[in-house]
Amino acid sequence: GAGVSQSPSNKVTEKGKDVELRCDPISGHTALYWYRQSLGQGLEFLIYFQGNSAPDKSGLPSDRFSAERTGGSVSTLTIQRTQQEDSAVYLCASSLAGGPSETQYFGPGTRLLVL
Amino acid sequence: GIQVEQSPPDLILQEGANSTLRCNFSDSVNNLQWFHQNPWGQLINLFYIPSGTKQNGRLSATTVATERYSLLYISSSQTTDSGVYFCARSPDTGFQKLVFGTGTRLLVSP
Repeated sequence: GAGVSQSPSNKVTEKGKDVELRCDPISGHTALYWYRQSLGQGLEFLIYFQGNSAPDKSGLPSDRFSAERTGGSVSTLTIQRTQQEDSAVYLCASSLAGGPSETQYFGPGTRLLVL
Repeated sequence: GIQVEQSPPDLILQEGANSTLRCNFSDSVNNLQWFHQNPWGQLINLFYIPSGTKQNGRLSATTVATERYSLLYISSSQTTDSGVYFCARSPDTGFQKLVFGTGTRLLVSP
């Protein structure tokens, strides 16, 4: 597609359930990023992919969070045993190769609410 | 880590007014960007501005890296300028891991 797409747009789940969030980057972009936007923490980095590898997972808040990328394209962020503090907007971005001066293109986000 | 502070936190303008948003850094920064998040949550890159001044239509940005700040100027504001403006920096080397500022929420009224 023309831009970064994310699904679902909104997700409501019960505490303790697992959720999967999907990101489709711009075709040809090797770099893919996940960020989280919450009221208390602002916009924070979660994980970076270069191709299918994740050289930096330092932003993942706990071992309940994991992510993978397959075929150098689609990425899935999985949150296991969700907690109420996981409620946030999860944003995905992609850039051509991950260089420091490149433009990151953001998707519309997935709004997650954990009840 | 490096702190990124933005001011003012909130700003209300009448359509047609000009404004200046500021971004301060706790350490030196070489890779500075400005983003706009519209009321529907979409984040759009406005400028990559590690130093100097750039202009794009009614928007312009200036970064003085030696003094650790950047400014975003909005002239003749329009209601479509409403949203949240973020500055963000990334490391000098390696991949572009963005650290976002606290944001300035702008409301332009007709």
